[in-house]
Amino acid sequence: KAGVTQTPRYLIKTRGQQVTLSCSPISGHRSVSWYQQTPGQGLQFLFEYFSETQRNKGNFPGRFSGRQFSNSRSEMNVSTLELGDSALYLCASSFEPSYEQYFGPGTRLTVT
Amino acid sequence: QQPVQSPQAVILREGEDAVINCSSSKALYSVHWYRQKHGEAPVFLMILLKGGEQKGHDKISASFNEKKQQSSLYLTASQLSYSGTYFCGTEDFGNEKLTFGTGTRLTIIP
Repeated sequence: KAGVTQTPRYLIKTRGQQVTLSCSPISGHRSVSWYQQTPGQGLQFLFEYFSETQRNKGNFPGRFSGRQFSNSRSEMNVSTLELGDSALYLCASSFEPSYEQYFGPGTRLTVT
Repeated sequence: QQPVQSPQAVILREGEDAVINCSSSKALYSVHWYRQKHGEAPVFLMILLKGGEQKGHDKISASFNEKKQQSSLYLTASQLSYSGTYFCGTEDFGNEKLTFGTGTRLTIIP
């Protein structure tokens, strides 16, 4: 069974731009969660989607948004990028919420 | 509020045992444990649920003390492959999102 895939793997953007990251979950998994990982803050929860509905949202500004499609694929968008948004963005899928999560390789975003 | 992990880092020789602790100020529903090797994504180890039994496989096991809102991860006879950063993630009642601790870096040396 194929694992979680994320695209792109690396991205360099300029302050003020926006970016869209994509995540394809493991086949059959309906829950997708997004995390921001930085050396100083560790793994910070962004949001979770289940059956196209946002179940939970972390403490991030409204510039961070996401959505889930009917095939469970998910996207997250960050508008008006700031230098502090530079991080590894990880997507994780699970069969249902609160089940074990399987992480993708992440998208390394660098904002200059 | 994220759970607190201790220790922050530990260095062991191959074959030694390690204990990693995770504690929360909230009433927990579940505790998840993950291991992340450098440059790789976190990998699921186990889930402990409130009212559930101690979990384990191979030489890695964990317990969940519901009264103290604490979980401990036990690694016995550590192997070089156990090196990495261990994260606990907690879910508390009324807040069904996984909140991760800051991690414990485990280094196993020959």
